[in-house]
Amino acid sequence: QKEVEQDPGPLSVPEGAIVSLNCTYSNSAFQYFMWYRQYSRKGPELLMYTYSSGNKEDGRFTAQVDKSSKYISLFIRDSQPSDSATYLCAMSEDYKLSFGAGTTVTVRA
Amino acid sequence: GAVVSQHPSWVICKSGTSVKIECRSLDFQATTMFWYRQFPKQSLMLMATSNEGSKATYEQGVEKDKFLINHASLTLSTLTVTSAHPEDSSFYICSASATNYGYTFGSGTRLTVV
Repeated sequence: QKEVEQDPGPLSVPEGAIVSLNCTYSNSAFQYFMWYRQYSRKGPELLMYTYSSGNKEDGRFTAQVDKSSKYISLFIRDSQPSDSATYLCAMSEDYKLSFGAGTTVTVRA
Repeated sequence: GAVVSQHPSWVICKSGTSVKIECRSLDFQATTMFWYRQFPKQSLMLMATSNEGSKATYEQGVEKDKFLINHASLTLSTLTVTSAHPEDSSFYICSASATNYGYTFGSGTRLTVV
């Protein structure tokens, strides 16, 4: 079993829709939770970062962490074609990051 | 914000030759640098972790004699793929980390060995 599970999709939504992404994990020692966006043939770009259970909002992005269920989510409101990318969840224990497989999202104009 | 520059972004080399990839933190001093490998439609797999001035720590299954990592300064780490073979073709990404800067990734290097 992988430490971090993420449905690779692909996920296709119309412009303006809410994009819902999630990951589950098995290592209860994970302390920090991140979401990265990766465009094709580019390095990941940090979108959201949190370390506690609950919600964190930044513009159109909302990250949720439920440590009791070992489940994290990312919501993108009012999605735009420019949001089309692969979204990776990542978690860390100490200094190492463990990544999900990434979900490929396409927002149709 | 923190910026990490990775060079080259794309390289083709002949089988049996060596390739060096550079990773530089441009506006901060990175206490730790990480090297990842990513296959198409797959996640990032950590290859090794390096701290300035010390030997890199390799993940299980990664050949340290094949993937040479040098972290000579707080702003530069290099990954050399020695005696490259077609199966080494992949997307290599570095990441730099420091207190208050989190993890910042380079733009990646696509290596094709022919």
